[in-house]
Amino acid sequence: QVQLVQSGAEVRKPGASVRVSCKASGYSFTGYYIHWVRQAPGQGLEWMGWINPNSGGADYAQKFQGRVTMTRDTSITTAYMELSSLTSDDTAVYYCGRDRHYSVWGSILYWGQGTLLTVSS
Amino acid sequence: DIQLTQSPSSLSASVGDRVTITCRASERISTDLNWYQQKPGKAPKLLIYGASSLQTGVPSRFSGSGSGTDFTLTISSLQPEDFATYSCQQSYSSIQTFGQGTKVEIK
Repeated sequence: QVQLVQSGAEVRKPGASVRVSCKASGYSFTGYYIHWVRQAPGQGLEWMGWINPNSGGADYAQKFQGRVTMTRDTSITTAYMELSSLTSDDTAVYYCGRDRHYSVWGSILYWGQGTLLTVSS
Repeated sequence: DIQLTQSPSSLSASVGDRVTITCRASERISTDLNWYQQKPGKAPKLLIYGASSLQTGVPSRFSGSGSGTDFTLTISSLQPEDFATYSCQQSYSSIQTFGQGTKVEIK
């Protein structure tokens, strides 16, 4: 079965960076885009970007351009999301998700369990 | 970026009620609109993709419709397990976006 297992909760100080991992199993890792979505406390879902694990190409929401980098390591079927220059506004649960459709972007069918990032001095 | 506006932001309904949530896009997105259900402390769950296709395993009381800029999610007979927050998402553009969410509460 498809599983996405994310790394554990993180605490960072303002100005720092964080890298969250998403270990995929149960399917062909290079066949499906991985999305990253975050949710601040009490707020709605916010799409951050996707990575194509086959090519390594990625696209990001304008809001995060220059501050987010999505990468992957196909040898260990793991995707990563790195966010820099953190502020308290980045405190949120971060989810990775696998696209429903093969080899294109679309809806997100499978989700990781979420990673809580707390940014506090 | 394409903006999605959901209405209402919240609603109160009773078990057995018919519930309709709307999602309006700031530009035409064909039928590239998806709906998710989320319960507190849990990851979202895909309900509808492509505006009207029911994801496998989702009860048939959920349905979606629309194209272009206006979309609806309908729950034909609200069940106790349906009290949750519902969000739309557009996948027309490479840069995707979510609506702000609609919280369905018990009346």
